[in-house]
Amino acid sequence: GDSVTQMEGPVTLSEEAFLTINCTYTATGYPSLFWYVQYPGEGLQLLLKATKADDKGSNKGFEATYRKETTSFHLEKGSVQVSDSAVYFCALSSSGSARQLTFGSGTQLTVLP
Amino acid sequence: NAGVTQTPKFQVLKTGQSMTLQCAQDMNHEYMSWYRQDPGMGLRLIHYSVGAGITDQGEVPNGYNVSRSTTEDFPLRLLSAAPSQTSVYFCASSYVGGGRSMSYSPLHFGNGTRLTVT
Repeated sequence: GDSVTQMEGPVTLSEEAFLTINCTYTATGYPSLFWYVQYPGEGLQLLLKATKADDKGSNKGFEATYRKETTSFHLEKGSVQVSDSAVYFCALSSSGSARQLTFGSGTQLTVLP
Repeated sequence: NAGVTQTPKFQVLKTGQSMTLQCAQDMNHEYMSWYRQDPGMGLRLIHYSVGAGITDQGEVPNGYNVSRSTTEDFPLRLLSAAPSQTSVYFCASSYVGGGRSMSYSPLHFGNGTRLTVT
């Protein structure tokens, strides 16, 4: 079946540091890939998505590129801020929609001033 | 625009008690779903619905019932709570279809219900 593997957390960085959160997946066919973010006390919000190989999703300074050859969708940001502290979830959908999602376990990011 | 509203925010139950977690959305979304979030396991789909009168099981449906009598509401029922159901529960909704752009309509999540079963 489908699965998503994220790098173990928690991750602690200083403000303005470079961020990478690794995500690899196993799926049949050509899944769509997503990053969701969960701020403290809130529900998840879509951060970015990519629907086919070599697509790059981007939003709020975050980027992730759909790499079919390595089955990866790593999240990156060049300069993190304290306000980026949250839990980040990688997810995929094999059904061609954004609704039937398989989530990774989440990575807690803390950014220190 | 309230989005997805979940009540209550917190709940403590004793083993064997029953309760209903409420979820309402005001975006006229056809699709609604329930997830549970457990440490180290991400989110797992419990039940979902693609419209009023239509429900289906997700990955972990045992111990939970749902119904969808209106587009707006999608309650989750625990008939006999067990400690294994201690978790954070999220309701989410989205559009179902209506063209290529709609098929990638993202899920909108509520703020969650933290349930403890003792």
